[in-house]
Amino acid sequence: DAKTTQPPSMDCAEGRAANLPCNHSTISGNEYVYWYRQIHSQGPQYIIHGLKNNETNEMASLIITEDRKSSTLILPHATLRDTAVYYCIGALKTSYDKVIFGPGTSLSVIP
Amino acid sequence: GAVVSQHPSWVICKSGTSVKIECRSLDFQATTMFWYRQFPKQSLMLMATSNEGSKATYEQGVEKDKFLINHASLTLSTLTVTSAHPEDSSFYICSARGISGLAGITGELFFGEGSRLTVL
Repeated sequence: DAKTTQPPSMDCAEGRAANLPCNHSTISGNEYVYWYRQIHSQGPQYIIHGLKNNETNEMASLIITEDRKSSTLILPHATLRDTAVYYCIGALKTSYDKVIFGPGTSLSVIP
Repeated sequence: GAVVSQHPSWVICKSGTSVKIECRSLDFQATTMFWYRQFPKQSLMLMATSNEGSKATYEQGVEKDKFLINHASLTLSTLTVTSAHPEDSSFYICSARGISGLAGITGELFFGEGSRLTVL
């Protein structure tokens, strides 16, 4: 079973920050939090990952709570092209650990 | 970044025929590849883990004789849907995590573009 829970859907106004929450209270101490997104009929796209510290890259920021039970993906200035299903996943940083997807959050960016 | 390529991107076949889908890691070596299936408006469902040089590991409920997986090299895994039926129509996606290079360092899972199978 997936180790994370996310709201099924969210809306965000274009140009505003999109904050996508994820609960992962059952992931182990050495499992990373990975975020992916899937635009309709395409393969998932990697966004960002982290273990304990907050992370930022050109796509997004990842805020992980100190107890590691939850995190928030932040898209600072959402555009229409950010409309997608976003998946939060807990997994080891290895080449062999299988990755189980939950239902994800369907984000709709509204003009 | 690392790239995973699938072929074909879409295929239509008659019921009872077999279809092979290829998954290649283009710029990194992948000892392990994963095959997912996705039905409309649903999440990705892991079907099996493909291990280079050994048998694939199938998830519960996935028929190994129906979905044949071969991982003959560090850059290629194939999924063959045997005796396909309309209920096998789906979006099949492969992914890989590397053993060297960028993918191996980050543990990032790279995905192919997906292959849409329609069985008539």
